[in-house]
Parts: sequence; C-alpha cells; structure tokens
Amino acid sequence: NAGVTQTPKFRILKIGQSMTLQCTQDMNHNYMYWYRQDPGMGLKLIYYSVGAGITDKGEVPNGYNVSRSTTEDFPLRLELAAPSQTSVYFCASSDANGLAETGELFFGEGSRLTVL
Amino acid sequence: QKEVEQDPGPLSVPEGAIVSLNCTYSNSAFQYFMWYRQYSRKGPELLMYTYSSGNKEDGRFTAQVDKSSKYISLFIRDSQPSDSATYLCAMSYGGATNKLIFGTGTLLAVQP
Repeated sequence: NAGVTQTPKFRILKIGQSMTLQCTQDMNHNYMYWYRQDPGMGLKLIYYSVGAGITDKGEVPNGYNVSRSTTEDFPLRLELAAPSQTSVYFCASSDANGLAETGELFFGEGSRLTVL
Repeated sequence: QKEVEQDPGPLSVPEGAIVSLNCTYSNSAFQYFMWYRQYSRKGPELLMYTYSSGNKEDGRFTAQVDKSSKYISLFIRDSQPSDSATYLCAMSYGGATNKLIFGTGTLLAVQP
C-alpha cells in the first residue's frame, strides 16, 4: 500500500515552460487536494476534487489547472511557469467520512519546483 | 487578519522539556481542530484531532481547544529529539468538502 505518490520529486523549469505534477493514490479515496507550501506561509489550497469528473478551485488557483478522470489520479498542470510558482507542492487525499471523523488528510512527500 | 495565526518559531528546547505550541483563529465557525507534524522534506502527518472545545490526550501529546477564546494548543511532555519537526495547526468548518485551513507552522528543535 503506497498511499499518495507524487512525481517528480524535484524539477527546475524555465519561465514560460509548462509541466504536469503527477499524483496518484491507492486508497480509493474520493477526495483529493493540491496544496503549495512556501516558507512562512503554511499550506495553501490550490485545487480540490470530491470525485472523478469533479474539481473546484481553492484559495490560490491562478496559473494552475487540474483534471480528475479517475479516482486514483489527480494531476496538476502548470501553464506558462512563473518565478512566483517556485514552491513545494503537496498532493493529499481523504476519505470523506474519515476526514469528518478524524480530520485526516494523507499527504504525498511533495514535489519541489523551481522556476528560473 | 489571517484566519489562522501561528508563531513560526523556531522553538528550541532541551530534551525532556514540556513544549507548548499555540494557534489563534478569527472565525468562530470552525468546528474541527487538528495538529499535523511535518518532518523535514516530508509531507505532513496527522498527530491530533479534536472536535469543538475540550482536551484530548494521546501518550505524551495533549491537544486543547478553547472556542470562547479562539485558541488551540498542543502540549508535548517529556520532549524527545525525535519530536523535532514543524507542527502545523489546521481547522475546518466541516461540511461536504471539509477543506482544511492551515497555520503557518512552528519549527521545533529538541536538543539532546
């Protein structure tokens, strides 16, 4: 049972390039989330999904896109990368009932992105 | 005003000390309160979860919620070097999506 797996772990992009951060979970969780974490800023929600085919914006969605074609996968797309998108990105998942009962999100190990 | 405020630290204590970590919040609608622990270069992991006001104890860890003061705390007794990590408070309104609002995190170092 791998939990939440993110790839790549590290990536350097040039300004204006595009890329996709991959996230997959093997816990059959309906809810999936993308956060970014910047020093001194905590975790900010970018996008989330409550099930396959359903996505919604979080607190900081600009410059990003997501899709949810399967329960397992929730990729995050960066179009026209900017230095402000330099951050550590975390994907997370939860079972809806479990989140209500225990508050638990299961996080991946993060993807460190630098835009130069 | 941020929804959730947390002192970023860093906080350095000797092994065996009692550690107190705190968060304040502005929205009285928060119902669920959590503490996550994040080791360096890892994802956060749930440490404690509390619904509404009160105390909850789990081994060396105690979580307290005071909704009247909009204040939550995490106490670590007999702190160990393995407790060295960033501690993030989080809270949610509940409801269908249960989105979490995180504090900025407090970096704790327990010196052997």
